[in-house]
Amino acid sequence: QKEVEQNSGPLSVPEGAIASLNCTYSDRGSQSFFWYRQYSGKSPELIMFIYSNGDKEDGRFTAQLNKASQYVSLLIRDSQPSDSATYLCAVNSDNNDMRFGAGTRLTVKP
Amino acid sequence: DAMVIQNPRYQVTQFGKPVTLSCSQTLNHNVMYWYQQKSSQAPKLLFHYYDKDFNNEADTPDNFQSRRPNTSFCFLDIRSPGLGDAAMYLCATSLRWEKLFFGSGTQLSVL
Repeated sequence: QKEVEQNSGPLSVPEGAIASLNCTYSDRGSQSFFWYRQYSGKSPELIMFIYSNGDKEDGRFTAQLNKASQYVSLLIRDSQPSDSATYLCAVNSDNNDMRFGAGTRLTVKP
Repeated sequence: DAMVIQNPRYQVTQFGKPVTLSCSQTLNHNVMYWYQQKSSQAPKLLFHYYDKDFNNEADTPDNFQSRRPNTSFCFLDIRSPGLGDAAMYLCATSLRWEKLFFGSGTQLSVL
């Protein structure tokens, strides 16, 4: 069974702080890794994707991938109240069976 | 704009009454997915198509069926909905291994 695990939270950070979200996966054949943001009652929206080991930065967001440890993380710098949402980690294998973690609920307090 | 469209946005059905949810895309993506998401849970992959190749998850109940008559359209059929099937159903598309493009979802209620 291919598993994607996340801490469910909730994670609460003050405005302007760094939020750190973590995810582990079980399938060593995983090819691509994604972070989605989901607001209540809405569809997930893509925040970041990463395919290779290391860090990838896009604005206030940094994704980190370590395939040896089967670990992917998302850092949100200068967190804003509008970042409050559930963050879903998703992992895709060469079978195209994109799987999601249960999500971490983030609250950014003004 | 190219997009993924799901209809209807809200669907109410009766216990045991068959229901069909639809999804269309203008992105010409070769992979289409159906996910079931219950409150505060992960989106659960039900099945996906890579072109015409159908891939059913091992734990997807037989009550759920899918059709993809062409590249643009995909349908989710629930043959005999139970109360436990009430959920948000998400359709998504992608090019192989790449990011998913989601529709707005169909919220299914079973009375």
